[in-house]
Amino acid sequence: KAGVTQTPRYLIKTRGQQVTLSCSPISGHRSVSWYQQTPGQGLQFLFEYFSETQRNKGNFPGRFSGRQFSNSRSEMNVSTLELGDSALYLCASSLMGTNEKLFFGSGTQLSVL
Amino acid sequence: DAKTTQPNSMESNEEEPVHLPCNHSTISGTDYIHWYRQLPSQGPEYVIHGLTSNVNNRMASLAIAEDRKSSTLILHRATLRDAAVYYCILRASGAGSYQLTFGKGTKLSVIP
Repeated sequence: KAGVTQTPRYLIKTRGQQVTLSCSPISGHRSVSWYQQTPGQGLQFLFEYFSETQRNKGNFPGRFSGRQFSNSRSEMNVSTLELGDSALYLCASSLMGTNEKLFFGSGTQLSVL
Repeated sequence: DAKTTQPNSMESNEEEPVHLPCNHSTISGTDYIHWYRQLPSQGPEYVIHGLTSNVNNRMASLAIAEDRKSSTLILHRATLRDAAVYYCILRASGAGSYQLTFGKGTKLSVIP
């Protein structure tokens, strides 16, 4: 079974631009969640989707948004990029999103110049 | 979210057992204890989880104190591939379980 796939692996953008990151979950998994990882703040929860509905959202500004498609694939978007948005963005999938193990992708490393 | 406290770093010799402690004195009765680890340049990887009883799987064992205020992840024979940051996470039930709240974790170094 293929694992969680995130694309692209690396991305360089400039301040003010917007970016879209993609996540393909493990086949059959309906829950997809997103995390941001920085050296200073560590791993922080962004949001979680299940069957195309956002069920939970972390403490991030509205510039961070996401969506999930009917095939469970998910995208997250960051508008008006700031230097502080430079981070590793990780996607995780699971069957139902409740107390079960999450499977993480290798992440998208975003650099904002 | 209930918090966990872990040592910042630990060292172990290769092929020796490793005991990684975690304190969670404010744990609620329905919180599950999860452990993940993150190897360099990779996303976190699930290790083990439990509620009240000790748990074993092919990767590790989880020993949970009787009052559930602390737990210990046990790697029975450390290998170089076990060098990683280990996160102890409390996961609530219901809607609170939709996310993981990561702390700083313990960076485990394995000495050949």
